[in-house]
This record gives sequence, structure tokens and C-alpha cells, in this order.
Amino acid sequence: EVQLLESGGGLVQPGGSLRLSCAASGFAFSTYAMSWVRQAPGRGLEWVSATSGNGAKTYYADSVKGRFTFSRDNSKNTLFLQMNSLRADDTAVYYCAKDRAYAFDVWGRGTMVIVSS
Amino acid sequence: SYVLTQAPSVLVAPGQTARVTCGGNNIATKSVHWYQRKPGQAPVLVVHGDGDRPSGIPARISGSSSGSTATLTISRVEAGDEADYYCQVWDGTTDHWVFGGGTKLTVL
Repeated sequence: EVQLLESGGGLVQPGGSLRLSCAASGFAFSTYAMSWVRQAPGRGLEWVSATSGNGAKTYYADSVKGRFTFSRDNSKNTLFLQMNSLRADDTAVYYCAKDRAYAFDVWGRGTMVIVSS
Repeated sequence: SYVLTQAPSVLVAPGQTARVTCGGNNIATKSVHWYQRKPGQAPVLVVHGDGDRPSGIPARISGSSSGSTATLTISRVEAGDEADYYCQVWDGTTDHWVFGGGTKLTVL
């Protein structure tokens, strides 16, 4: 069974940092691009970042560029999202998602990030 | 940057056909994907723009595009179809993935 499981969410103060992880199983992880997508309370889905299967290419939404870093460890089938300089508007549920021809065909259950003092 | 526009809400009676639209510049030239999101659950891909129907998605859910509008059509609507629906495309000029604002489908 194809599965994605996020972890690492929590409460952090503005300006702080947090590192999310996403453990993947059930598919050839290194051959697929992966993304992070978030949903703030009462808002719609927002794409955050994507990386190619080998991690050589990474893309960021303008709202997080320069503050977030997306990486992957293909030996451990794991994704990481390092989030620095967090702001209140980063508060959201963060999902990792598997790419299929630029669509997201598998999603994790999400991890909640709350940025508040 | 590429923008996708969706109506905030659509109302439909059970057994009728629901149409959720997604507007974007020349969207018919892009592959448009659709997601269903129910409260407390992760989004689910219901229509892949390449035409492949994801496993477990009934044939009464389909997508189409023409000009500047993409449409998700749900035939014979059931109470279980009540959810938020999002369109999404990949913008090749910026290498960004773009979502519409979402449409809440309410089954009367």
C-alpha cells in the first residue's frame, strides 16, 4: 500500500524554526517528484515546494522562498521541510504529496503547524 | 503568475448534475487536475488532466476544458459528494503548481 506519513508539526513562536518530515512507503520513492502542500485555517490549498526524484531540482512558492528548504533522503524514503523565520501566516496543515505528471495522486494525512506567541 | 478562479459555492439537489468551473487564461491548453477534500480528510485526486481516472473514482465524475474554463462534472449527485473541490495546474513558465481557491459543493 502506498503511504505517506508526515510528522514534526507543532507550536512555534514567530521567527522560529521547525523541521517537518514525511516517511514514504509502498512505491519506488526515488523515481518520483514530491511536493509539500499546505492549507491554512479557513483557506484553500496552497502549493509550497516541490523536488525532483533525485533532489537535484527544487522549486518554491514565492511566499516561502528563502525561508523554507525542501530536501529528501532517498536511502531512507524520507522528505524534509526545514522552515525558518516562521510567520503567523505559515500556520497551516502541511501535507506531503506524491507527483504523477504534475498532479498529486497520493497525499499524507498532514501535520499541523501553528505559529503563535 | 498563473491564476485559477473558482466560484466559492455550488448548490445541487441529489440525483442532479453538478458542474464546478475553474477559470484560467487559455486553460484548455493545460492539463487540469481536480481534487475532492472532505472535512478532516486529506485531499483526493478525482480527475487527472491526462484522462486517467484514479482508482476508486466513479465514472460519473469527469473533467473537461474549453477556452478559458475547465469544468468538473458530477452526475447523479449523492450526499457523499458534498465536499470542497479544487482545480490545479502546473505553470511551466514559473515551475509552480497552482491551485484554484476551491468550491464548496453542497447537496441540498
